[in-house]
Amino acid sequence: EPEVTQTPSHQVTQMGQEVILRCVPISNHLYFYWYRQILGQKVEFLVSFYNNEISEKSEIFDDQFSVERPDGSNFTLKIRSTKLEDSAMYFCASSEIGQGEAETQYFGPGTRLLVL
Amino acid sequence: DAKTTQPNSMESNEEEPVHLPCNHSTISGTDYIHWYRQLPSQGPEYVIHGLTSNVNNRMASLAIAEDRKSSTLILHRATLRDAAVYYCILRDVNYGQNFVFGPGTRLSVLP
Repeated sequence: EPEVTQTPSHQVTQMGQEVILRCVPISNHLYFYWYRQILGQKVEFLVSFYNNEISEKSEIFDDQFSVERPDGSNFTLKIRSTKLEDSAMYFCASSEIGQGEAETQYFGPGTRLLVL
Repeated sequence: DAKTTQPNSMESNEEEPVHLPCNHSTISGTDYIHWYRQLPSQGPEYVIHGLTSNVNNRMASLAIAEDRKSSTLILHRATLRDAAVYYCILRDVNYGQNFVFGPGTRLSVLP
């Protein structure tokens, strides 16, 4: 069964450093998403991406964050200057379509980011 | 997205059926009811979704009240692997993008 993959599984970084989290969505999917989950808290939406542009973003997704689809398979989340509060599990998701009854989002296993 | 209410936690014995309730009294006519679950240290996983009629798939069944103000996810025979947080999410069929996750119900399965 096709699945979303994410790398790395764990990342430790110093405050102020840039990190790039990578995702390979399911190959025929057109919509891509990033969510995060701070330890012990809810899963929170960050951003959705379609047709090479951001289609929706939350208040969390400020200027420190950016997303990119650098090639036909990868989807990345960049945090320019990490803060302690960016420590969280980051989930990538993809879906074949962006809305409607049949929309199902498939989530990756996550990248656990720890900012020291 | 309309709001849902779920119990914080539930317990079940292994190999017994589990009924996970969800209240969504402000549901609109175009809201689909989606269930996802999150196993420990994993990403959310799709379980089932429906609109008005009860739905069955290989993972679970979804029973939707006639007035659609509540629904129940049914795991017919709980296994230890079903221990997870279960999320009931309403999604308007006319709008896409993000899923709004609540705190969900933490299901513990006892051997």
